[in-house]
Amino acid sequence: DAGITQSPRHKVTETGTPVTLRCHQTENHRYMYWYRQDPGHGLRLIHYSYGVKDTDKGEVSDGYSVSRSKTEDFLLTLESATSSQTSVYFCAISPKSGLSYEQYFGPGTRLTVT
Amino acid sequence: AQSVTQLGSHVSVSEGALVLLRCNYSSSVPPYLFWYVQYPNQGLQLLLKYTTGATLVKGINGFEAEFKKSETSFHLTKPSAHMSDAAEYFCAVTPGGSSGTYKYIFGTGTRLKVLA
Repeated sequence: DAGITQSPRHKVTETGTPVTLRCHQTENHRYMYWYRQDPGHGLRLIHYSYGVKDTDKGEVSDGYSVSRSKTEDFLLTLESATSSQTSVYFCAISPKSGLSYEQYFGPGTRLTVT
Repeated sequence: AQSVTQLGSHVSVSEGALVLLRCNYSSSVPPYLFWYVQYPNQGLQLLLKYTTGATLVKGINGFEAEFKKSETSFHLTKPSAHMSDAAEYFCAVTPGGSSGTYKYIFGTGTRLKVLA
């Protein structure tokens, strides 16, 4: 298994509070991604990173920010959590080079906003 | 722009029967295509991938898929379903080569149920 961990694995928080989710990799892959998974929507890209300090928005980035100060860590912050952000969040990594374009996924973080 | 369509959000097959999960894509550049499987309360696991070369690709657990450019399809098959195949399956696409785009587009998933 690819070395990807996510923390916390479960979190319950109140509306209006900031929340930070962490993704940590030991593979030294350049590309890192944050997705949310909701029934009927598959995986939707929130933000991604193509290098240290290099990030860009995905299709559902409103209300989220990210930071990547080291190759191995990619942080997702919910500025002020809302009930619509209740979801399962997955981090993914990819070397995206040569013929290795597949993504490897972390175990997910289940976030509930009450 | 790229997109992925998975026909059938739920598919049921009998144990031992053929599994066919459909995926159609649209892409303005040659695509790289993937199938992932997700078991309950787990992350996604790569089943197989197509990048270049042979259009029939084999993956783990006896699954295979064929890239058909003329039909813009990448359907997933398995000759004989096993109870352990019950899971959700996702098709995904990303631009091939050095297109400068880093995003992946996922289908909405197909939940496979295997009947005893």
